[in-house]
Amino acid sequence: DAMVIQNPRYQVTQFGKPVTLSCSQTLNHNVMYWYQQKSSQAPKLLFHYYDKDFNNEADTPDNFQSRRPNTSFCFLDIRSPGLGDAAMYLCATSRYPTGGGNQPQHFGDGTRLSIL
Amino acid sequence: SQKIEQNSEALNIQEGKTATLTCNYTNYSPAYLQWYRQDPGRGPVFLLLIRENEKEKRKERLKVTFDTTLKQSLFHITASQPADSATYLCALPDSGGYQKVTFGTGTKLQVIP
Repeated sequence: DAMVIQNPRYQVTQFGKPVTLSCSQTLNHNVMYWYQQKSSQAPKLLFHYYDKDFNNEADTPDNFQSRRPNTSFCFLDIRSPGLGDAAMYLCATSRYPTGGGNQPQHFGDGTRLSIL
Repeated sequence: SQKIEQNSEALNIQEGKTATLTCNYTNYSPAYLQWYRQDPGRGPVFLLLIRENEKEKRKERLKVTFDTTLKQSLFHITASQPADSATYLCALPDSGGYQKVTFGTGTKLQVIP
Protein backbone atom coordinates (compact mmCIF):
# COMPACT_ATOMS: atom_id res chain seq x y z
CA ASP A 1 0.00 0.00 0.00
CA ALA A 2 1.12 3.50 -0.73
CA MET A 3 2.04 5.26 2.45
CA VAL A 4 4.06 7.73 4.46
CA ILE A 5 6.80 6.17 6.58
CA GLN A 6 8.65 7.89 9.37
CA ASN A 7 11.83 6.62 10.98
CA PRO A 8 12.56 6.08 13.71
CA ARG A 9 9.29 5.81 15.67
CA TYR A 10 11.07 6.80 18.85
CA GLN A 11 14.20 8.91 19.10
CA VAL A 12 16.10 9.85 22.21
CA THR A 13 18.79 12.48 22.05
CA GLN A 14 20.78 14.54 24.47
CA PHE A 15 20.24 18.20 25.13
CA GLY A 16 22.07 20.12 22.41
CA LYS A 17 22.97 17.08 20.31
CA PRO A 18 21.84 17.37 16.68
CA VAL A 19 19.20 14.95 15.53
CA THR A 20 17.66 14.12 12.15
CA LEU A 21 14.23 12.66 11.58
CA SER A 22 13.31 11.12 8.25
CA CYS A 23 10.18 10.68 6.20
CA SER A 24 9.56 8.81 2.97
CA GLN A 25 6.47 8.48 0.83
CA THR A 26 5.30 6.19 -1.94
CA LEU A 27 2.27 8.32 -2.83
CA ASN A 28 4.23 10.48 -5.27
CA HIS A 29 2.68 13.58 -3.76
CA ASN A 30 4.41 16.83 -4.52
CA VAL A 31 3.59 18.56 -1.24
CA MET A 32 5.25 17.42 2.01
CA TYR A 33 4.81 18.84 5.49
CA TRP A 34 6.48 18.64 8.89
CA TYR A 35 4.38 19.19 12.00
CA GLN A 36 5.23 19.31 15.67
CA GLN A 37 2.57 18.00 18.05
CA LYS A 38 2.76 18.20 21.82
CA SER A 39 0.44 16.38 24.18
CA SER A 40 -3.23 17.42 23.84
CA GLN A 41 -2.30 20.12 21.33
CA ALA A 42 -3.03 20.62 17.67
CA PRO A 43 -0.36 19.64 15.15
CA LYS A 44 1.68 22.78 14.48
CA LEU A 45 3.07 23.27 11.00
CA LEU A 46 6.84 23.83 10.90
CA PHE A 47 7.56 23.74 7.14
CA HIS A 48 6.13 22.55 3.90
CA TYR A 49 7.47 21.89 0.42
CA TYR A 50 5.74 22.16 -2.89
CA ASP A 51 8.16 20.05 -4.91
CA LYS A 52 11.48 21.66 -3.98
CA ASP A 53 9.95 25.01 -3.13
CA PHE A 54 10.56 25.38 0.62
CA ASN A 55 8.11 27.30 2.82
CA ASN A 56 9.03 28.13 6.38
CA GLU A 57 6.41 29.15 8.94
CA ALA A 58 7.15 32.54 10.48
CA ASP A 59 7.26 31.17 14.03
CA THR A 60 9.35 28.06 13.31
CA PRO A 61 12.53 28.35 15.40
CA ASP A 62 15.84 28.73 13.55
CA ASN A 63 16.95 25.60 15.35
CA PHE A 64 14.76 23.60 12.95
CA GLN A 65 15.78 22.98 9.36
CA SER A 66 14.56 20.71 6.62
CA ARG A 67 15.80 19.06 3.45
CA ARG A 68 13.96 17.44 0.59
CA PRO A 69 16.51 15.81 -1.73
CA ASN A 70 13.83 14.25 -3.97
CA THR A 71 10.06 13.72 -4.23
CA SER A 72 10.08 10.69 -1.96
CA PHE A 73 12.19 11.82 0.98
CA CYS A 74 12.13 14.66 3.46
CA PHE A 75 14.27 15.26 6.55
CA LEU A 76 13.84 17.36 9.66
CA ASP A 77 17.06 18.50 11.33
CA ILE A 78 17.09 19.89 14.84
CA ARG A 79 20.47 21.50 15.30
CA SER A 80 20.55 21.93 19.07
CA PRO A 81 17.54 20.29 20.70
CA GLY A 82 16.24 21.83 23.88
CA LEU A 83 13.89 20.33 26.42
CA GLY A 84 11.03 22.24 24.83
CA ASP A 85 11.54 20.37 21.56
CA ALA A 86 10.39 17.08 23.05
CA ALA A 87 7.28 16.25 21.03
CA MET A 88 5.79 14.05 18.34
CA TYR A 89 6.98 15.06 14.87
CA LEU A 90 4.59 14.25 12.08
CA CYS A 91 5.28 14.13 8.37
CA ALA A 92 2.42 14.45 5.90
CA THR A 93 1.92 14.61 2.16
CA SER A 94 -0.77 15.85 -0.18
CA ARG A 95 -1.36 16.35 -3.85
CA TYR A 96 -0.98 19.88 -5.08
CA PRO A 97 -4.37 21.39 -4.34
CA THR A 98 -6.72 22.12 -7.20
CA GLY A 99 -10.04 23.90 -7.32
CA GLY A 100 -9.25 26.22 -4.45
CA GLY A 101 -7.29 23.79 -2.36
CA ASN A 102 -9.07 20.82 -0.92
CA GLN A 103 -6.66 17.93 -0.86
CA PRO A 104 -6.53 15.76 2.26
CA GLN A 105 -3.22 15.22 4.00
CA HIS A 106 -1.76 11.75 4.50
CA PHE A 107 0.24 11.38 7.68
CA GLY A 108 2.94 9.04 8.86
CA ASP A 109 2.76 7.69 12.38
CA GLY A 110 5.28 10.17 13.65
CA THR A 111 8.56 10.13 15.51
CA ARG A 112 8.36 10.73 19.23
CA LEU A 113 11.41 12.71 20.25
CA SER A 114 12.67 12.69 23.83
CA ILE A 115 15.43 14.97 25.09
CA LEU A 116 17.66 13.87 27.98
CA SER B 1 -6.12 35.73 12.70
CA GLN B 2 -8.27 32.67 12.23
CA LYS B 3 -9.21 30.72 15.32
CA ILE B 4 -10.54 27.18 15.58
CA GLU B 5 -12.28 25.86 18.67
CA GLN B 6 -13.07 22.28 19.52
CA ASN B 7 -14.38 21.13 22.84
CA SER B 8 -11.26 20.30 24.79
CA GLU B 9 -13.19 18.20 27.28
CA ALA B 10 -13.48 14.52 26.49
CA LEU B 11 -16.82 13.28 25.27
CA ASN B 12 -18.01 10.02 26.83
CA ILE B 13 -20.98 8.26 25.29
CA GLN B 14 -22.63 4.89 25.51
CA GLU B 15 -22.10 2.36 22.74
CA GLY B 16 -24.86 2.55 20.15
CA LYS B 17 -25.60 6.23 20.71
CA THR B 18 -24.79 9.06 18.31
CA ALA B 19 -21.70 11.09 19.12
CA THR B 20 -21.70 14.74 18.05
CA LEU B 21 -18.51 16.78 18.01
CA THR B 22 -18.30 20.49 17.33
CA CYS B 23 -15.83 22.64 15.47
CA ASN B 24 -16.26 26.41 15.65
CA TYR B 25 -14.16 28.97 13.86
CA THR B 26 -13.85 32.74 13.79
CA ASN B 27 -12.33 35.48 11.67
CA TYR B 28 -12.49 33.35 8.57
CA SER B 29 -14.67 32.12 5.72
CA PRO B 30 -13.13 28.81 4.68
CA ALA B 31 -13.87 27.23 1.33
CA TYR B 32 -13.88 23.79 2.95
CA LEU B 33 -13.35 21.96 6.22
CA GLN B 34 -11.75 18.60 6.92
CA TRP B 35 -12.14 16.07 9.73
CA TYR B 36 -9.41 13.69 10.86
CA ARG B 37 -9.19 10.90 13.39
CA GLN B 38 -6.08 10.46 15.55
CA ASP B 39 -5.38 7.42 17.70
CA PRO B 40 -2.84 7.62 20.56
CA GLY B 41 0.72 7.53 19.25
CA ARG B 42 -0.40 7.61 15.62
CA GLY B 43 -0.68 10.22 12.91
CA PRO B 44 -4.05 11.75 11.99
CA VAL B 45 -6.12 9.93 9.39
CA PHE B 46 -8.32 11.86 6.98
CA LEU B 47 -12.02 11.09 7.25
CA LEU B 48 -14.17 13.63 5.41
CA LEU B 49 -14.04 16.93 3.59
CA ILE B 50 -17.02 19.24 3.20
CA ARG B 51 -17.10 22.29 0.96
CA GLU B 52 -18.72 25.62 1.77
CA ASN B 53 -21.54 25.00 -0.70
CA GLU B 54 -22.37 21.63 0.86
CA LYS B 55 -24.65 21.51 3.88
CA GLU B 56 -24.04 17.88 4.71
CA LYS B 57 -21.71 15.02 3.79
CA ARG B 58 -22.03 11.36 4.73
CA LYS B 59 -19.70 8.39 4.74
CA GLU B 60 -20.98 5.17 6.24
CA ARG B 61 -21.78 5.98 9.91
CA LEU B 62 -20.20 9.42 9.69
CA LYS B 63 -22.01 12.64 8.92
CA VAL B 64 -20.58 16.15 8.74
CA THR B 65 -22.51 19.40 8.51
CA PHE B 66 -21.15 22.82 7.66
CA ASP B 67 -23.00 25.99 8.65
CA THR B 68 -21.14 28.97 7.24
CA THR B 69 -23.54 31.38 8.93
CA LEU B 70 -22.91 29.96 12.39
CA LYS B 71 -19.25 29.32 11.46
CA GLN B 72 -19.60 25.81 12.74
CA SER B 73 -19.20 22.21 11.64
CA LEU B 74 -20.76 19.26 13.42
CA PHE B 75 -19.34 15.76 13.16
CA HIS B 76 -21.68 12.89 13.95
CA ILE B 77 -20.93 9.21 14.46
CA THR B 78 -24.11 7.15 14.52
CA ALA B 79 -24.37 3.75 16.23
CA SER B 80 -21.05 4.45 17.93
CA GLN B 81 -18.72 1.58 18.79
CA PRO B 82 -15.81 1.30 21.24
CA ALA B 83 -13.52 1.18 18.18
CA ASP B 84 -14.60 4.75 17.41
CA SER B 85 -12.79 5.94 20.55
CA ALA B 86 -10.12 8.38 19.40
CA THR B 87 -9.38 12.09 19.13
CA TYR B 88 -11.15 13.85 16.28
CA LEU B 89 -9.54 16.93 14.74
CA CYS B 90 -11.08 19.47 12.42
CA ALA B 91 -8.89 21.37 9.99
CA LEU B 92 -9.49 24.49 7.94
CA PRO B 93 -7.49 25.89 5.06
CA ASP B 94 -4.88 28.30 6.31
CA SER B 95 -5.36 31.89 5.27
CA GLY B 96 -1.65 32.02 4.57
CA GLY B 97 -1.67 29.60 1.67
CA TYR B 98 -3.99 27.07 0.12
CA GLN B 99 -1.50 24.25 0.43
CA LYS B 100 -1.82 24.46 4.21
CA VAL B 101 -4.45 23.77 6.84
CA THR B 102 -4.75 24.76 10.47
CA PHE B 103 -5.84 22.05 12.89
CA GLY B 104 -8.01 22.35 15.96
CA THR B 105 -6.82 20.79 19.21
CA GLY B 106 -9.30 17.95 18.80
CA THR B 107 -11.96 16.36 20.94
CA LYS B 108 -11.30 13.03 22.59
CA LEU B 109 -14.20 10.63 22.19
CA GLN B 110 -14.61 7.65 24.49
CA VAL B 111 -17.32 5.13 23.60
CA ILE B 112 -18.26 3.05 26.61
CA PRO B 113 -19.38 -0.54 26.02
